Amino acid sequence: GESVGLHLPTLSVQEGDNSIINCAYSNSASDYFIWYKQESGKGPQFIIDIRSNMDKRQGQRVTVLLNKTVKHLSLQIAATQPGDSAVYFCAENPADKLIFGTGTRLQVFP
Amino acid sequence: DAGVIQSPRHEVTEMGQEVTLRCKPISGHDYLFWYRQTMMRGLELLIYFNNNVPIDDSGMPEDRFSAKMPNASFSTLKIQPSEPRDSAVYFCASSPLRGQGNEKLFFGSGTQLSVL
Repeated sequence: GESVGLHLPTLSVQEGDNSIINCAYSNSASDYFIWYKQESGKGPQFIIDIRSNMDKRQGQRVTVLLNKTVKHLSLQIAATQPGDSAVYFCAENPADKLIFGTGTRLQVFP
Repeated sequence: DAGVIQSPRHEVTEMGQEVTLRCKPISGHDYLFWYRQTMMRGLELLIYFNNNVPIDDSGMPEDRFSAKMPNASFSTLKIQPSEPRDSAVYFCASSPLRGQGNEKLFFGSGTQLSVL
């Protein structure tokens, strides 16, 4: 039979624009969240994290926003570059282990 | 620091054969995790260890899968017998002490397993 894979949502942005990648998490008990970037053929790489006692955290060109009321997480990338093209995963930590979302593919075009 | 090291990088085997995947965590990290990544199910946690002791193996799909951590610098994930549906990329990750702002995992490059 035909195999059905995960349909990764894709975000296409022009180089230089800002990107916003969204994630809905499931467990109200989660108190720690991470964004990972995965390039083709590589393992996930840490980008930025945030604890549940914060609603915003900034890194270099990246910002993570957390809305606990609606269990929503977002990753903002400023001035998106071709090297940002990858699959981005959010992960939550309900109890000593990380549970990953399905991911969003970011495509950057010139 | 060499990071998390996994071997082999690629493994092609026939159905029914035993497969052993290997992982060397980052020195000093107390936690080790095995994940499986497929198009169908994304990244799934299989099992994790703390100080070489298995803590949660609820993600291990069935008895054909087993994992060991004989010492702080080495872990194996074994599949016996292997089946085509085991084809996936298997990642090992390690982490320092938990609950101290060090929860983030450091991943290896993965083992691409193909079972024919």
